[in-house]
Amino acid sequence: SQTIHQWPATLVQPVGSPLSLECTVEGTSNPNLYWYRQAAGRGLQLLFYSIGIDQISSEVPQNLSASRPQDRQFILSSKKLLLSDSGFYLCACEEVMNTEAFFGQGTRLTVV
Amino acid sequence: RKEVEQDPGPFNVPEGATVAFNCTYSNSASQSFFWYRQDCRKEPKLLMSVYSSGNEDGRFTAQLNRASQYISLLIRDSKLSDSATYLCVVGMMDSSYKLIFGSGTRLLVRP
Repeated sequence: SQTIHQWPATLVQPVGSPLSLECTVEGTSNPNLYWYRQAAGRGLQLLFYSIGIDQISSEVPQNLSASRPQDRQFILSSKKLLLSDSGFYLCACEEVMNTEAFFGQGTRLTVV
Repeated sequence: RKEVEQDPGPFNVPEGATVAFNCTYSNSASQSFFWYRQDCRKEPKLLMSVYSSGNEDGRFTAQLNRASQYISLLIRDSKLSDSATYLCVVGMMDSSYKLIFGSGTRLLVRP
């Protein structure tokens, strides 16, 4: 079965600093990968999804970007963080279309 | 209109109660449907998939109504441990396939 690794678990970054969150997947090949953000007390907002290497779709215009340099690696980045970027960032993996998605344990980002 | 909509709640019910959540989706071409459970400050975890014929897993029953574009989750004999946020999830084709989450319905089960 697939395993999703996300790190770090918690991150505090100053406004204007860069960001790089990494998600790696084990136990599957060519999965669909997702980045979601959840603000405190809110639902999950889809940020990016990827159906393959270097194939990224962006859902919401923002100062974040995503890359998928390898089949099982999905990276979320920012050049300059904003206060509004604070939230719980979740990476999800879907092995086959129309099956359930599994989540990493998430990164709780606080921008100060 | 949001692609997936849920009543945010909270639903505050006593132990043993039966509670039902509904979720509506806007894209009639949606292909797959799920209910997830999310505990406070944790990642969402799959509760159950939702099939056209409806499906049951112990105290939980999920149903899909494609004509009306809604999904339901029924929890019977609520336990304290059922307290969580329940997320409705829809898989749909846009430019490619993607999973869209509802904002969740919060359930509080009291003694």
